[in-house]
Amino acid sequence: NAGVTQTPKFRVLKTGQSMTLLCAQDMNHEYMYWYRQDPGMGLRLIHYSVGEGTTAKGEVPDGYNVSRLKKQNFLLGLESAAPSQTSVYFCASSLGLLNTEAFFGQGTRLTVV
Amino acid sequence: DAKTTQPNSMESNEEEPVHLPCNHSTISGTDYIHWYRQLPSQGPEYVIHGLTSNVNNRMASLAIAEDRKSSTLILHRATLRDAAVYYCNFPLYGGATNKLIFGTGTLLAVQP
Repeated sequence: NAGVTQTPKFRVLKTGQSMTLLCAQDMNHEYMYWYRQDPGMGLRLIHYSVGEGTTAKGEVPDGYNVSRLKKQNFLLGLESAAPSQTSVYFCASSLGLLNTEAFFGQGTRLTVV
Repeated sequence: DAKTTQPNSMESNEEEPVHLPCNHSTISGTDYIHWYRQLPSQGPEYVIHGLTSNVNNRMASLAIAEDRKSSTLILHRATLRDAAVYYCNFPLYGGATNKLIFGTGTLLAVQP
């Protein structure tokens, strides 16, 4: 049982480059989330999805786009990377919202130079 | 958005109980209180959640105040492996909003 898998685990980008982070879950979960975590800080919600074909903005959505074309996958895109987007990105999924637990991936460490 | 308040850091000795507090004065009557922890260099992991009455599982116990404006995560016998950041939160929902927001958490240090 793989759970939540994030690809890639590490990436270095140059300013202005674009990239897509992939989050895949095999638990048939409806809810999926993307967070970023800066050094010594807590998690901040970027975007989330409450089901296939839906997306919504979180706390810090600027500079990011997302898509949920398939229920099991949640993609996070950076169109033009900036050094301020250097962070560790975590994906999570949950079956529901109120009375269920969220499962997290191991993170993607992104450095923008 | 709803907020939770936790101490920035706490210390404990190995094999002693640890009580991690959380204030959530804006919680509504149907909000579940969730606790997660994040070990160094890992993604967060679920610990426990509850609504009104106290909850126990293999990892911890959750004590919820009668007015539900605060809760306490209890680790009965801290081990070195319990050193982590502990997050208290509750999902936000209603209308077009359904999301899980995290606060800054409590960094727990466990001394041998």
